[in-house]
Amino acid sequence: QSALTQPASVSGSPGQSITISCTGTNSDVGAYNYVSWCQQLPGRAPKVLIYHVIKRPSGVSNRFSGSKSGNTASLTISGLQAEDEAHYYCTSYTSSDSWVFGGGTKLTVL
Amino acid sequence: QVQVVQSGAEVRKPGASVKVSCKASGYTFTTHYMHWVRQAPGQGLEWMGRINPRDGTTIYAQRFQGRITMTRDTSTDTVYMELRSLRSDDTAVYYCARDNDFHSFDYWGQGTLVTVSS
Repeated sequence: QSALTQPASVSGSPGQSITISCTGTNSDVGAYNYVSWCQQLPGRAPKVLIYHVIKRPSGVSNRFSGSKSGNTASLTISGLQAEDEAHYYCTSYTSSDSWVFGGGTKLTVL
Repeated sequence: QVQVVQSGAEVRKPGASVKVSCKASGYTFTTHYMHWVRQAPGQGLEWMGRINPRDGTTIYAQRFQGRITMTRDTSTDTVYMELRSLRSDDTAVYYCARDNDFHSFDYWGQGTLVTVSS
């Protein structure tokens, strides 16, 4: 199972919005609505931001939103804040009853 | 509250095995899969496999087939991940992560650093 494709890095200024893409295939992202996104701060365990493409766990800011079109899922962060600077990973369930991660995206807040 | 607590750091020589534990609390242990994910230094996340604590059934990522075993102990609400024939490129932080009802990982352990070095 090949890793999902994410941009290696994105950047934005405080207050702006950014979108991180996650491209898979019709065996994973395109096949199911089991796409999730997590945030990883340096030295910390990942934290889920979005699951089931668009759902947000309680306690996660509504500045984080998810979407999907075909084989590509997206995470949008609006109203960027300095504390959003982190690595972001997408994950999808797959048709082989396994899970696959994206390569990760480093977000820099300018 | 839900908690997932892992065992401490380990150092092994190449060719050895390591067994990492992950103790769950705050929910009914048998109702949620548990996954194992690893992260090599400076690298991304890699899914290794998952276990169903209810019946012990497992699914492993193809690249680990034959040298990984996941087990569980329902008397202590603990899952275990054993990796054998360790190589230097197995040096990584190993995480357990609970599966919610939507095939995503909602609670993560704190991570266990496994260092493989001669």
